[in-house]
Formats: sequence, C-alpha cells, structure tokens
Amino acid sequence: AQSVAQPEDQVNVAEGNPLTVKCTYSVSGNPYLFWYVQYPNRGLQFLLKYITGDNLVKGSYGFEAEFNKSQTSFHLKKPSALVSDSALYFCAVRDRDTGFQKLVFGTGTRLLVSP
Amino acid sequence: DTAVSQTPKYLVTQMGNDKSIKCEQNLGHDTMYWYKQDSKKFLKIMFSYNNKELIINETVPNRFSPKSPDKAHLNLHINSLELGDSAVYFCASRKGLAGPNEQFFGPGTRLTVL
Repeated sequence: AQSVAQPEDQVNVAEGNPLTVKCTYSVSGNPYLFWYVQYPNRGLQFLLKYITGDNLVKGSYGFEAEFNKSQTSFHLKKPSALVSDSALYFCAVRDRDTGFQKLVFGTGTRLLVSP
Repeated sequence: DTAVSQTPKYLVTQMGNDKSIKCEQNLGHDTMYWYKQDSKKFLKIMFSYNNKELIINETVPNRFSPKSPDKAHLNLHINSLELGDSAVYFCASRKGLAGPNEQFFGPGTRLTVL
C-alpha cells in the first residue's frame, strides 16, 4: 500500500529565507510524486510533479522539489519565501506500477511566512 | 473560465436530511473524484469514476451515493446526514486513468450538519 508522511505540521520561515517542506513516501513500485497547495477556503492547486528523469523538478511560483530515491523523499523547496506563500501544502504519491491506483495524500504541512 | 465547479459552496442542514452536491468539469477529462477533507485538513478519497464507471469506492458508508450522468459531471448524494458528515467535500478531475497526469480540484463544498 502507498503512504506519504509529512513530519511537520507547521513550518515557520521569515520572508526572503529559503524554505523546505518535507515529504517521505512509501510505494511497492515506482512513484509518481506530486505537491499541491491549498490557500484558505480554496481547493487544492497543483504545484509540481516528479515522473522520471531529473531528480530536481521545477514548478509553479518558484517552487521546486528534489526526488531522492534512496531516502524515499520528495522535499519541496523555494530559495526565497514570500508572505503570499503562506498556505497548506500537501505531498501525494501514486504507484506507477500498479496501474490506476489512487492518489494518496499526506496530512499536510502549514507554511507560515512572516514579514 | 471555471475548470472544476461545485454547487453549492456552502450547505447547512439538519441531521437526518438528504442532500446532494454537484460537480462539473469543462476540461474534457474522463476521470473524476470525490474527496472529503475533515476539520484537521486530512484529505481522503471517497469515490472515483472513469467514463461514468465507478472504479474506486473507499470504505464510505452506503448513505453516500455518487452518480455520474456523463463524463463531465459527478454528483454526490448523501442520505440521512449525520454530525460526522460535516466536512469540506472536494471534487477533482484528471485526464486518463493511469499515468502521471495531475488532478484539478474544485473549490469545495462546506457541509455543516446541525
């Protein structure tokens, strides 16, 4: 079975500083990995995904994520945080080797960027 | 242009009532989903349809009945509402059944059962 762990309920960072939101995953096969962001009272918005190839994936709003197979991690990063990045971030995984398996989400990490 | 829309946005009702939530996508996708997000923001899949066929049915009480009249619509009917049904319900869609395509989410329907 697939699972995702987001070990931090909340990440606090000052504006202009780099940010990292952690995600580790577990699948029996190879993963498709995703990051989504949820702003207050809104639906989830897709940020980026890892399919194959280059371990560093670039996405929307300056975010990027690094796939590390040996550590089964897919941490979300941004070089310089903005106050407007404050939101709830979800990591998700789908096992590519088992066909149309469902997308499993982590528990979410709240990012708070202070001015 | 709205990609995935849901109606209503807010739904307040009494225990025991029956209610429906509607979802429509104009993206030409063939797979649609219902998710439940609880008060702790945990997101859990409930159902998935592909080309109007039910393909994922999680351990959801049979008071919840999805219906997909066509590929662009997936509705959720809930019978005999209970307090624990209070949550935000999200509809989502994607192209295809397998593969890496991402899901697109609607704005959510906040259901409050009194």
